[in-house]
Amino acid sequence: SAVISQKPSRDICQRGTSLTIQCQVDSQVTMMFWYRQQPGQSLTLIATANQGSEATYESGFVIDKFPISRPNLTFSTLTVSNMSPEDSSIYLCSVRLAGEVNEQFFGPGTRLTVL
Amino acid sequence: AQSVTQLGSHVSVSEGALVLLRCNYSSSVPPYLFWYVQYPNQGLQLLLKYTSAATLVKGINGFEAEFKKSETSFHLTKPSAHMSDAAEYFCAVRGMGGANNLFFGTGTRLTVIP
Repeated sequence: SAVISQKPSRDICQRGTSLTIQCQVDSQVTMMFWYRQQPGQSLTLIATANQGSEATYESGFVIDKFPISRPNLTFSTLTVSNMSPEDSSIYLCSVRLAGEVNEQFFGPGTRLTVL
Repeated sequence: AQSVTQLGSHVSVSEGALVLLRCNYSSSVPPYLFWYVQYPNQGLQLLLKYTSAATLVKGINGFEAEFKKSETSFHLTKPSAHMSDAAEYFCAVRGMGGANNLFFGTGTRLTVIP
């Protein structure tokens, strides 16, 4: 398995501001993903974080709103830009370990509230 | 495209009773299927996974699931519910795109009644 940490664990932000969420993994990973879980709903994939190149975004998500970086194999950031109350969600980092093609591990999530 | 459907957004059982959480999948190829649990204010934890080996899969905390191709189902069961089982449960299927990421069902909230 892997130990995945996310910072911050939670935050309350004002409309129009931006928040950067960090994801750090203690193992070598091949894939890193960012998911959103809106209140009372399931998980939706935002993007796949690619090392050293632009992230691959799912339909409905754009780089200007959710810029993602992945400078190395074990670290990634997701920024939620120009926030509105509709962005209030839990944001989860997920990884697939080297040598494991099927299983995904999840971080504890970042609980974001936008006022 | 791969997808999963979870029947029942809320399930309530008495402590000691059978737990049955339903998941049906849609896939054009043999699927890889997963059950995750999310306790309040926590991330997701893998309960078990099916990756085309044995059709009856045993997971953690006494849970198991059976892959039934004829029914396109992967229901999660536990013979005797415990209070600590109260949580949100998600069924997921691995996608077949480049990243092979997971696609999740809408979740089932399990309540265990003392």
